[in-house]
Amino acid sequence: GAGVSQSPSNKVTEKGKDVELRCDPISGHTALYWYRQSLGQGLEFLIYFQGNSAPDKSGLPSDRFSAERTGGSVSTLTIQRTQQEDSAVYLCASSPRQGYEQYFGPGTRLTVT
Amino acid sequence: KNQVEQSPQSLIILEGKNCTLQCNYTVSPFSNLRWYKQDTGRGPVSLTIMTFSENTKSNGRYTATLDADTKQSSLHITASQLSDSASYICVVSGEEYGNKLVFGAGTILRVKS
Repeated sequence: GAGVSQSPSNKVTEKGKDVELRCDPISGHTALYWYRQSLGQGLEFLIYFQGNSAPDKSGLPSDRFSAERTGGSVSTLTIQRTQQEDSAVYLCASSPRQGYEQYFGPGTRLTVT
Repeated sequence: KNQVEQSPQSLIILEGKNCTLQCNYTVSPFSNLRWYKQDTGRGPVSLTIMTFSENTKSNGRYTATLDADTKQSSLHITASQLSDSASYICVVSGEEYGNKLVFGAGTILRVKS
């Protein structure tokens, strides 16, 4: 079956612009996670959704970052007023429930110039 | 402080040779430890997952070991193939972090012919 998909695969934006990153989880997976992977760093947890609610937003680095999930499926990560330090690969993962195996998407490479 | 340390940072081996990657963690109490393989431009894919009570877990040519007393794990790759070239990431889950996954920075393996 289809895995986790993310779009766009690459995004180049100018500093100060807003960007939206999309994640389509595996059908039926209720848990969805966003991570950030900076060059040479481990993956950094950003936010976790269970259904449409986000019980854990503790990883969002600033109030410029927000995410939503609608219909218990697609999720969008929005970064407002992008900064150069936001440049990274943003990975989405889904799992049948929290604590179960997470399946990762291919990521969106964001470059802020 | 990085809660999951991996070594070496990078490794080059000849095709057909074996190699061992190391992971030390401080996450406690510990729930489980996973090894992921991440090909360039792709999301991580799970290789093995071990709970506190498991010492070893195999997946084809990949064998992971866990010593929960010393908080060390290793991933052994036998008869390496060119397709093994990837980043190998050690990931620990523990109650200290609300069972969120804590990622190491990864070991970049290159297998050459």
